[in-house]
Amino acid sequence: NAGVMQNPRHLVRRRGQEARLRCSPMKGHSHVYWYRQLPEEGLKFMVYLQKENIIDESGMPKERFSAEFPKEGPSILRIQQVVRGDSAAYFCASSPRDRTLYNEQFFGPGTRLTVL
Amino acid sequence: AQRVTQPEKLLSVFKGAPVELKCNYSYSGSPELFWYVQYSRQRLQLLLRHISRESIKGFTADLNKGETSFHLKKPFAQEEDSAMYYCALLNYGQNFVFGPGTRLSVLP
Repeated sequence: NAGVMQNPRHLVRRRGQEARLRCSPMKGHSHVYWYRQLPEEGLKFMVYLQKENIIDESGMPKERFSAEFPKEGPSILRIQQVVRGDSAAYFCASSPRDRTLYNEQFFGPGTRLTVL
Repeated sequence: AQRVTQPEKLLSVFKGAPVELKCNYSYSGSPELFWYVQYSRQRLQLLLRHISRESIKGFTADLNKGETSFHLKKPFAQEEDSAMYYCALLNYGQNFVFGPGTRLSVLP
């Protein structure tokens, strides 16, 4: 099992462009979580998805950000019209179901987004 | 509101010395607390969770509901323990609320 995969690992965008971040969960996992880490801060929850459903997007900025987890393919975090404040590390985590015995989430290596 | 605090951004200790990384939380309900660790150039990984009362790599953490704390302890630090440590609270069984992290540096 290769673990949670994220690509790209590094992404550079100019202000106003779109950023697409991809996350492939571990095999057999149907729950995906996105977190953002700003410099000098901890990870902050953004959105929780199951296949074809957004379960909780309470941590997602209301504008420019969207996420999906289609029936086939990876989960996508999309940021439209990026601004410098979007520069951060974006982490994806997956779990086999929402309430495992120990509620563990497995993290990907992260995508570091830099907005010029 | 759910919140996790880690008062030390950086903690330096000498090899063989005891280490304690502090974590406090605020949560309305019965908390589930975890410690995650990130070694250099590696992904974030689970170190231990209070519910299983385990000791991993010599680390232990006890949940103190009276003090709302979940401090991570190890009696004798090793150089390979140098890493970033995050305390995390499971928010109503779904997403994690992370603390800002403490960088542990174990000096030879």
